Amino acid sequence: AQRVTQPEKLLSVFKGAPVELKCNYSYSGSPELFWYVQYSRQRLQLLLRHISRESIKGFTADLNKGETSFHLKKPFAQEEDSAMYYCALASYSSASKIIFGSGTRLSIRP
Amino acid sequence: GAGVSQSPSNKVTEKGKDVELRCDPISGHTALYWYRQSLGQGLEFLIYFQGNSAPDKSGLPSDRFSAERTGGSVSTLKIQPSEPRDSAVYFCASSFASNTEAFFGQGTRLTVV
Repeated sequence: AQRVTQPEKLLSVFKGAPVELKCNYSYSGSPELFWYVQYSRQRLQLLLRHISRESIKGFTADLNKGETSFHLKKPFAQEEDSAMYYCALASYSSASKIIFGSGTRLSIRP
Repeated sequence: GAGVSQSPSNKVTEKGKDVELRCDPISGHTALYWYRQSLGQGLEFLIYFQGNSAPDKSGLPSDRFSAERTGGSVSTLKIQPSEPRDSAVYFCASSFASNTEAFFGQGTRLTVV
């Protein structure tokens, strides 16, 4: 069964410290992985997707098929990065729904 | 409009009253989702539409919840009757296909007193 696991409900780091938000997935086919972000009082929005291999707001995420992981990383956290982050998985091959993880709240301390 | 639109943005109602939430997805998007988010919690999946049919409604918490989608476009989520534990922000999202980016609405904040 498709599953997305975000083991940390809350992650608190100091400004300037590196950030890693963990995401593991379970899927037998070829997945499309996403990271979504929800800033305070705003709607969820796409942050990045693995297929585009881009860096958005200093964040990157690499798909590791061997470890079935798609961790989100940023070398130096900024206060404006405080938000709720969701990892999500979709299937290339079937019209099944996108699966969201339970989310990680990132809090950046000054 | 350019994005996913939900109405109302806020709803306060009394226990036992029926509630109807509306979602206008982006034109042409075949996939539509309903989620809810309780205070301080993550997204809770409710139901997924592909066109007008709902291949997955496993997240609807009880028989009091129902949803429909007509014309491959507008969707309504109904709670009949509502209870205080239903209080949450209800989000709608749509995507062109089920494996493409999902666009979220601004949510409907429901408070049942």
